[in-house]
Amino acid sequence: SQQGEEDPQALSIQEGENATMNCSYKTSINNLQWYRQNSGRGLVHLILIRSNEREKHSGRLRVTLDTSKKSSSLLITASRAADTASYFCATDFNTDKLIFGTGTRLQVFP
Amino acid sequence: SAVISQKPSRDICQRGTSLTIQCQVDSQVTMMFWYRQQPGQSLTLIATANQGSEATYESGFVIDKFPISRPNLTFSTLTVSNMSPEDSSIYLCSSLSGHGYTFGSGTRLTVV
Repeated sequence: SQQGEEDPQALSIQEGENATMNCSYKTSINNLQWYRQNSGRGLVHLILIRSNEREKHSGRLRVTLDTSKKSSSLLITASRAADTASYFCATDFNTDKLIFGTGTRLQVFP
Repeated sequence: SAVISQKPSRDICQRGTSLTIQCQVDSQVTMMFWYRQQPGQSLTLIATANQGSEATYESGFVIDKFPISRPNLTFSTLTVSNMSPEDSSIYLCSSLSGHGYTFGSGTRLTVV
């Protein structure tokens, strides 16, 4: 079963705008990660945030984590057409199994 | 991080047949996993491939349908048995090492 729910399911924006995706999960976690997937194929790891961290940045990406609300958000600033992809959060706990959220399909129009 | 070679990249199979998917990792890894991604959906964990012992399956997945082997620390196979059109999906393997998680490029399976 899926660990997390993501919203929105789909997001369409213009180039230059910011994109925000949210992930909620159900159980305690060690880490939360965000992945990108283009065209339903390989997964690209974007960023990992540990359960004791609240915010992390990587280039145009900003991830927040609120363990009290069991939620995370991914912000992509100044989006580009090349950011068009599906984005998934994934969590792991003591078993090292990585469980994925439902995903957000992002479309960035030039 | 580890690099995974997954094959085949795609296949079209007749219903009732079986397909074996292979994943080769370029270094020894602690754990390997198999996922299914149905069309337009997220990744669902099928099982954890255990080296030298039977795989650990998630709820809804059984060994008779998805037999898995992991004979050593760098290689694993997933077989999709007695296929039906509902098995049409992308299947991905993943590994975990000290450098984190890595994913294969996936196998796109179409059952006709």
